[in-house]
Amino acid sequence: QVQLQESGPGLVRPSQTLFLTCAVSGGSITSGSFHWNWIRQPAGKGLEWIGRIYDTGSTNYNPSLKSRATISVDTSKNQFSLQLSSVTAADTAVYFCVRGMARNWFDPWGLGTLVTVSS
Amino acid sequence: DIQLTQSPSFLSASVGDRVTITCRASQGISSYLAWYQQKPGKAPKVLIYAASTLQSGVSSRFSGSGSATEFTLTISSLQPEDFATYYCQQFNSFPFTFGPGTKVDIK
Repeated sequence: QVQLQESGPGLVRPSQTLFLTCAVSGGSITSGSFHWNWIRQPAGKGLEWIGRIYDTGSTNYNPSLKSRATISVDTSKNQFSLQLSSVTAADTAVYFCVRGMARNWFDPWGLGTLVTVSS
Repeated sequence: DIQLTQSPSFLSASVGDRVTITCRASQGISSYLAWYQQKPGKAPKVLIYAASTLQSGVSSRFSGSGSATEFTLTISSLQPEDFATYYCQQFNSFPFTFGPGTKVDIK
């Protein structure tokens, strides 16, 4: 079965760029009608969808991030990535990478990785 | 953006209780709604998609209904492992959005 695993620095300085990678195992990132998403959750709060990418490279983003987010895909490595620029303390959260199926569901989810923005 | 509201925000219930959570959308979303269960320190898990379709492997005590702007998640007989936070989420339009969550606690 497909599994997703996030990786990246746990601490990012304010105004710097956050960079996370999601490795997909147990299946190809190019198979099926799937899209590949980033979702975040500040401690004790709800879930916020950041954006998604298809294996073709087509993307959609949440406008609330004001064009700071960039999602890319590397099909040769079976992984996709998130860059979030000009981070502030408000970007401190657990970041999840998630597979999406059409307009149906998000599943499976990675375990999540905590990113703290602090000097 | 489509806003999703959930009620109640918190509910206290006993094992064996029937529990219903409501999700309302700020505009019609057809049946593009999913429900997730999240336990502390864990990633969410999909329970229901397309408003009423049970995800493979999920217990049949979970059911979903509704369309357009009003949706419900029902747990027919609450089990100890069901104490968690539940979120609704819409796929009708960008950006995809989640409800604020309903925490189900032990009475």
